[in-house]
Amino acid sequence: DTGVSQDPRHKITKRGQNVTFRCDPISEHNRLYWYRQTLGQGPEFLTYFQNEAQLEKSRLLSDRFSAERPKGSFSTLEIQRTEQGDSAMYLCASTIGFNTEAFFGQGTRLTVV
Amino acid sequence: GQQLNQSPQSMFIQEGEDVSMNCTSSSIFNTWLWYKQDPGEGPVLLIALYKAGELTSNGRLTAQFGITRKDSFLNISASIPSDVGIYFCAGLFMDSNYQLIWGAGTKLIIKP
Repeated sequence: DTGVSQDPRHKITKRGQNVTFRCDPISEHNRLYWYRQTLGQGPEFLTYFQNEAQLEKSRLLSDRFSAERPKGSFSTLEIQRTEQGDSAMYLCASTIGFNTEAFFGQGTRLTVV
Repeated sequence: GQQLNQSPQSMFIQEGEDVSMNCTSSSIFNTWLWYKQDPGEGPVLLIALYKAGELTSNGRLTAQFGITRKDSFLNISASIPSDVGIYFCAGLFMDSNYQLIWGAGTKLIIKP
């Protein structure tokens, strides 16, 4: 399977705990995006990388959120001190260059209890 | 911020019927993308449109990039049960720094 891969698919955590999600983009894609999606809404942009450089972060991304793409391949999204409002589907997408045909992973469903 | 108005919010149709949905904006877009999302899954790209007036098909799906560049339409012909899901439009405009702007989705439900 050469699509975008996300791990884990589901995560349940207690409020206040830290969580980390991983995204493996399509191998030749140099742009990687993180989105958050809540029920009944479209995806909301969080941040994106071109290769290893994080080029933009949404104002939605609080200080508790951090993302990395250390070698320009896979990326991680960490949420520290999780809150119930962080419960959502976290989606990763990748694209090659400025081609906007972004391909999405299956998402990580986070539930904070 | 920029918004896409997607309608209808939901549709109840009979199997075999044709379906139409659209997205509009007050801004001019360079690119329109249509995605389908099943419950618990990520969005899957259906059709990409890059030119005003462009009409593109993917099987029973047809999408058009509006002449004004402010809207797009998706049609599904002869719907089948597996068409059930949420359809999202997403657009890219000149000053968006390559961030997609998303509609709120159209939920398609097929009546048994």
